[in-house]
Amino acid sequence: EVQLVESGGGLVQPGGSLRLSCVVSGITFSSHGMRWVRQAPGKGLMWVSHINTDGSSTSYADPVKGRFTISRDNAKNTLYLQMNSLRAEDTAVYYCARIRGTYGFSSDYWGQGTLVTVSS
Amino acid sequence: EIVLTQPPDTLSLSPGERVTLSCKASQSVSSSYLAWYQQKAGQAPRLLIYGASTRATGIPDRFSGGGSGTDFTLTISRLEPEDFAVYYCQHYGGSTGITFGQGTRLDIK
Repeated sequence: EVQLVESGGGLVQPGGSLRLSCVVSGITFSSHGMRWVRQAPGKGLMWVSHINTDGSSTSYADPVKGRFTISRDNAKNTLYLQMNSLRAEDTAVYYCARIRGTYGFSSDYWGQGTLVTVSS
Repeated sequence: EIVLTQPPDTLSLSPGERVTLSCKASQSVSSSYLAWYQQKAGQAPRLLIYGASTRATGIPDRFSGGGSGTDFTLTISRLEPEDFAVYYCQHYGGSTGITFGQGTRLDIK
């Protein structure tokens, strides 16, 4: 069974930092690109970042560029998102998802999400 | 930057009806990189269609995708109670990441 399990969310003050983790099992983690997608309360989906199989290539959405860093540890089957200088507008559920190149780079497996709340 | 628009925001329909959802791109995109997702309240998105028209594993054949260029569709041939959810289209743009439409909510009439 494929599982993606996010953790690390919580309440943080504006300007603070959090590191999200996504532990993946049931697939060969090192063979797949991965992405983070977020969803603000009551809103739609927004791509945050993606990373290639060995971590050598990353990309970020403009609202998070320079503040967030995506990384991965293939030995631990874990994806990370380091979030610094957090703002109220970063409040959202953050999902990790597998990128399926043969599926037109869509995402066929998703975690259950972890909620990040940025508030004083 | 490609913008995806999904009119209308909400549709109210009855079980058993046929529905076609729309996704319009601000410029022509490759069908290979157009996907559709279903999301129910409190759940992660679920991949339905990739490559504009290929059903993902385990997706019932009442779901079908089509279109090309700037206009894409997701058709549900006969709505089941479990199909009432929010549907998003998505385009992969390479290093610019992915773009989602704003979503269309299917409500039970």
